Amino acid sequence: DIVLTQSPGTLSLSPGERATLSCRASQSVDSSSLTWYQHKPGQAPRLLMFGASSRANAIPDRFSGSGSGTDFTLTISRLEPEDFAVYFCQQYHKSLLLTFGGGTKVEI
Amino acid sequence: QVQLQESGPGLVKPSETLSLTCTVPGGSINNYYWNWIRQPPGKGLEWIGYTHYSGNNKYNPSLTSRVTLSVDTSKNQVSLRLTSVTAADAAVYYCARWSIAWRAFDTWGQGTMVIVSS
Repeated sequence: DIVLTQSPGTLSLSPGERATLSCRASQSVDSSSLTWYQHKPGQAPRLLMFGASSRANAIPDRFSGSGSGTDFTLTISRLEPEDFAVYFCQQYHKSLLLTFGGGTKVEI
Repeated sequence: QVQLQESGPGLVKPSETLSLTCTVPGGSINNYYWNWIRQPPGKGLEWIGYTHYSGNNKYNPSLTSRVTLSVDTSKNQVSLRLTSVTAADAAVYYCARWSIAWRAFDTWGQGTMVIVSS
């Protein structure tokens, strides 16, 4: 199975600051199959980025994704109050188990 | 925006069977693969499996002997059945819709908490 390791576990920042979240895979992941989600307590997780760098519908352009191979990054250029949440990555491989990262909590 | 809603008993006894349903509004249930994902307290997300109305199912190998997923098109519902539960099965269970084009879960439910206790 491909293990996704997210860092840091918690990111303490203020509104207006830049957030950089890492997702590292134990083996190479096809970029088209690397996804980021946002999850707030009590709510349904929300698709943010698919294909490592494509924003999902209605996702503001302050969110961006990059990376390839085993290292992927989600960047929030200027944090808004509604961005404080847990972010997790996920990979899909048709022959291997679909797996998720452990998540990064972005807190004030 | 499609809203998925999981439902089922919040408490299941050890060794018994956990049954959950996910209601899918609208008429799109035939067009997608429907997944179940769970998150035990303090742990990461675990993919349980997917189901399609055609009967095409795939399960996490760690659960395949105990899990059954199915689609009921007449009720617009997706179901999960997990037998012989233990404390390790206590988790928040989510249903999620898979986008083949995006290779991602494009819609999730809010999740339902299941406790395993006698």
